Amino acid sequence: DADVTQTPRNRITKTGKRIMLECSQTKGHDRMYWYRQDPGLGLRLIYYSFDVKDINKGEISDGYSVSRQAQAKFSLSLESAIPNQTALYFCATSDPGTPANTQYFGPGTRLTVL
Amino acid sequence: EDKVVQSPLSLVVHEGDTVTLNCSYEVTNFRSLLWYKQEKKAPTFLFMLTSSGIEKKSGRLSSILDKKEHFSILNITATQTGDSAVYLCAVETSGSRLTFGEGTQLTVNP
Repeated sequence: DADVTQTPRNRITKTGKRIMLECSQTKGHDRMYWYRQDPGLGLRLIYYSFDVKDINKGEISDGYSVSRQAQAKFSLSLESAIPNQTALYFCATSDPGTPANTQYFGPGTRLTVL
Repeated sequence: EDKVVQSPLSLVVHEGDTVTLNCSYEVTNFRSLLWYKQEKKAPTFLFMLTSSGIEKKSGRLSSILDKKEHFSILNITATQTGDSAVYLCAVETSGSRLTFGEGTQLTVNP
C-alpha cells in the first residue's frame, strides 16, 4: 500500500468551479506540503503544515486554500478554478525526526481547467 | 527570493556514457540540498547533502556539494536506459521548506 495517496488522480473541470484535492498519509509524519509542477518550472510550494493547527503559505498560495483535518489528511482547494491552474499537483510529507529530512511524495493529481 | 538553477535543462546520451548534472543555488538560511529522480509521476529521493566535499554514493550515482560556491553536481556513470528521467535538485531552507530547480530531463538511448 502506498504511504502517501492522492485523490483524484486526474480531474478535468471548468473555469469557475470549486475543486478539492485530497491527500492522505500513513507514514505518521507531522509535516505535509502541497506543490504544483508546471513544465520548465520545477515544483513550487503552495501551502505547508507542520501539524494539525499550523498552516503556512508557500510561494504561490494565491487562488488556493488548504485544510489540515487530521495529522494524516491535508486537502487543497481551488475556490474558483482558472485555466492557469492546470498543472500536476503533488502532496508530500516529511518527518523532522528522521536523520534525513526528506519529503515523500504522493503519486500526483493531474488537474485540467478548461 | 530563494533560487535554484539546474543545467543543462535536457541531455541526450548513449548507454554507457557518464553524465554530470549541475545545480546552483542562491538562498538564505541554507540547511541541505537534495536530489530527486522523477520518472513518470512522483519524485523519489536520491541524496541529501549538508556538508561540503563529502561525496554521497549509491551504485552508479554520486553527488557532492560545495557550500562555498553554492553548487552541487550529480554524476551518473555507465548510464542505462532506466536512468532516463527528470532529475530534480532542491534546497532546504529554514522551516523545512524546499525550493526546487527546473529539473534536468535525461534521456539515455540504447
